[in-house]
Amino acid sequence: QKEVEQNSGPLSVPEGAIASLNCTYSDRGSQSFFWYRQYSGKSPELIMSIYSNGDKEDGRFTAQLNKASQYVSLLIRDSQPSDSATYLCAVNLGSTLTFGKGTMLLVSP
Amino acid sequence: ETGVTQTPRHLVMGMTNKKSLKCEQHLGHNAMYWYKQSAKKPLELMFVYNFKEQTENNSVPSRFSPECPNSSHLFLHLHTLQPEDSALYLCASHPGGATGELFFGEGSRLTVL
Repeated sequence: QKEVEQNSGPLSVPEGAIASLNCTYSDRGSQSFFWYRQYSGKSPELIMSIYSNGDKEDGRFTAQLNKASQYVSLLIRDSQPSDSATYLCAVNLGSTLTFGKGTMLLVSP
Repeated sequence: ETGVTQTPRHLVMGMTNKKSLKCEQHLGHNAMYWYKQSAKKPLELMFVYNFKEQTENNSVPSRFSPECPNSSHLFLHLHTLQPEDSALYLCASHPGGATGELFFGEGSRLTVL
């Protein structure tokens, strides 16, 4: 059974702080990893993808992957109220993505 | 402009009605998905099609009937639905392989009265 686990939250951080979102997955054969952001009532949008161990930075976002620990995280620096959303971790094995249940992030002004 | 287009964006239907949701992708992808998302709930995978063939049916009730006539089009036929089927229905496409991401449409908001 392929599983992707996330803490449902909410994770509350003040504006300007670093938000850290975590995800673990069960299948060691997983090859690609994604973070999607979903605003309430809207469809998910891709914000980061990562395929190899280490860090990948894109603007205020950094994705971190540790395949040995089966762990992927997303850091959001200088969090803004507009970052308040649900963040979905997705793991790809073959051609089917498996999503976690998402972590709700609340950034307070 | 999204590469995945869903219609209608909003649909209200009675429990005895028959309606269909349509999804079209303009990305040349080989796989298409239907997801259901109820209010404040996680995404629930319903169906997956690869090269027009259904490769996954996640124990979805028969009142939901998918159809994939070609790699660019995906339908979800609805009949005899229940109020608890009210949800956001999301279509997504995938290029295939182990490294591609899912591209989502904007969703069809369904209300069953």
